[in-house]
Amino acid sequence: DQQVKQNSPSLSVQEGRISILNCDYTNSMFDYFLWYKKYPAEGPTFLISISSIKDKNEDGRFTVFLNKSAKHLSLHIVPSQPGDSAVYFCAASAKETSGSRLTFGEGTQLTVNP
Amino acid sequence: GAGVSQSPSNKVTEKGKDVELRCDPISGHTALYWYRQRLGQGLEFLIYFQGNSAPDKSGLPSDRFSAERTGESVSTLTIQRTQQEDSAVYLCASSLQPGLAGKETQYFGPGTRLLVL
Repeated sequence: DQQVKQNSPSLSVQEGRISILNCDYTNSMFDYFLWYKKYPAEGPTFLISISSIKDKNEDGRFTVFLNKSAKHLSLHIVPSQPGDSAVYFCAASAKETSGSRLTFGEGTQLTVNP
Repeated sequence: GAGVSQSPSNKVTEKGKDVELRCDPISGHTALYWYRQRLGQGLEFLIYFQGNSAPDKSGLPSDRFSAERTGESVSTLTIQRTQQEDSAVYLCASSLQPGLAGKETQYFGPGTRLLVL
């Protein structure tokens, strides 16, 4: 049972344009959502997060939107830069689970073309 | 460095052998997690340690998998009688103690790439 799904395995955008990565979840107990970025041969690095009490969180070029009724979140990167090319993972946690145990999506490979 | 470190970075083993993977968390981080990433898939939770509490082993896929943690430092993940389906990247993460809200950022190590022939 895949509780967090990223339906697009890949996305290609032009430098300077907006990148929109999408994520859907099924578990209504999830109350905290994160995006991680992963370069080859490295571990994932934290990018941005959002609590379920908010619908938007912004940090520089990165904005995460949460639509609880649709159980959908998205990551917007504006403007996209070639250095943003990486695999992006959506993750979620539920308060009732131990610690901050994360459930991850399958990842989306973002390629930003110069 | 001050980050999470893991060793070995790569491990090739024969089916049926035991392997031991090591994780050194960030100093001061009381919470430690192990995840597994199979090819083309997302990260899959394996086990969680928090201080001296009993670990959450609910993600371990079989009894061939076990993990230990020495106090609030090093952790080892052991896979006995490895199978080809165990081939994956094994990632360790650490964080500060989760608070009342249960949310602390997890910092990941570079992972150990395990290949079982």
